[in-house]
Amino acid sequence: NAGVTQTPKFQVLKTGQSMTLQCAQDMNHNSMYWYRQDPGMGLRLIYYSASEGTTDKGEVPNGYNVSRLNKREFSLRLESAAPSQTSVYFCASSENPMSNQPQHFGDGTRLSIL
Amino acid sequence: QKEVEQDPGPLSVPEGAIVSLNCTYSNSAFQYFMWYRQYSRKGPELLMYTYSSGNKEDGRFTAQVDKSSKYISLFIRDSQPSDSATYLCAMTGGNQFYFGTGTSLTVIP
Repeated sequence: NAGVTQTPKFQVLKTGQSMTLQCAQDMNHNSMYWYRQDPGMGLRLIYYSASEGTTDKGEVPNGYNVSRLNKREFSLRLESAAPSQTSVYFCASSENPMSNQPQHFGDGTRLSIL
Repeated sequence: QKEVEQDPGPLSVPEGAIVSLNCTYSNSAFQYFMWYRQYSRKGPELLMYTYSSGNKEDGRFTAQVDKSSKYISLFIRDSQPSDSATYLCAMTGGNQFYFGTGTSLTVIP
């Protein structure tokens, strides 16, 4: 039982390049989330998908797009990477959106943009 | 004012000590409270999950919620070097979910 799986684990990009971060969960959860974690800033929500077929902006959506491919998979795309997007990106899932259920996290993608 | 406040530490204690980690919050709609443990280069891992006020114990860990004071705590008894990690509080209610920024803990052998 893998839980939440993120790929890749590490990536280095040049400014202006594009990239898609992949996330898959095997817990049959309805809701999925993308966060970024920066020193001193904690976890900040980028986008979330309450259920298959829906996506909504979080606290810091600028510069990102998402796709809820199916119930299991939720991808995050950087169309034109900027150094300010250097961060650790976490995907999470929960049974229901923003509700009483805890979120379960993957191990992150460490992204550096030069 | 932030929704959730958590002292970032760092906190350094000797092995065997009792550790107290705390968060305060401002939103009275929060009803469910969680503690996550995050090891270096790993994702947050759910440690404790509690509802409303009161205590919950799981082995060496005790989560305490005081809704009247808007204050939650995590106690770690007989701390071990393997407890060295960052601990994040989280809370949800009223269709909102918030994380604290985390407290870094080091347990020295």
